[in-house]
Amino acid sequence: AQSVSQHNHHVILSEAASLELGCNYSYGGTVNLFWYVQYPGQHLQLLLKYFSGDPLVKGIKGFEAEFIKSKFSFNLRKPSVQWSDTAEYFCAVNALRSGNTGKLIFGQGTTLQVKP
Amino acid sequence: NAGVTQTPKFRVLKTGQSMTLLCAQDMNHEYMYWYRQDPGMGLRLIHYSVGEGTTAKGEVPDGYNVSRLKKQNFLLGLESAAPSQTSVYFCASSWVRSGGLTEAFFGQGTRLTVV
Repeated sequence: AQSVSQHNHHVILSEAASLELGCNYSYGGTVNLFWYVQYPGQHLQLLLKYFSGDPLVKGIKGFEAEFIKSKFSFNLRKPSVQWSDTAEYFCAVNALRSGNTGKLIFGQGTTLQVKP
Repeated sequence: NAGVTQTPKFRVLKTGQSMTLLCAQDMNHEYMYWYRQDPGMGLRLIHYSVGEGTTAKGEVPDGYNVSRLKKQNFLLGLESAAPSQTSVYFCASSWVRSGGLTEAFFGQGTRLTVV
């Protein structure tokens, strides 16, 4: 069965520090990749997505992610975090196959705490 | 546009009680999903639907039933609630193009506690 693994469960950073959250998936075929963010008490919002083309994708709020097919990875980065980035971050994968139903497989989530 | 709307937002049930969670979307999406979110486990798919009148099991379907009588609505039912079903439930909708998923839009969530 496909799975998605996020390496960091809880990350604490100071403002202006750089961020990198790891995400690996286990599916050898074509995938669509997503990062979602969940601010405290709110629903999931899309940060960025990869479908095809340039493996470096840019999302909202200064986030970016790089798809490395050979490593089955889709790591999220931000050069300088802000206190308002405190949230939970989820990596998700849609494994494409015939009869694609759009089901997402989520990682366990990473809680990011940014100290002012 | 409202997007994806879930009703109710909070609920406390006693063990053995039943309830229905309602999800409504106004984006004319074909695909709808119910996920549950538990600490340290991310979101797990309960059931999903690829169109009006169709439903299918996801990763954790036991104890839940669903119905998609209208394209815009997707109902999640708990026939006999158990404490293990205490969770936050998210509904999502999407449309799928030939090259794959566009993106899923999520509702605000329903926090359910079973005592």
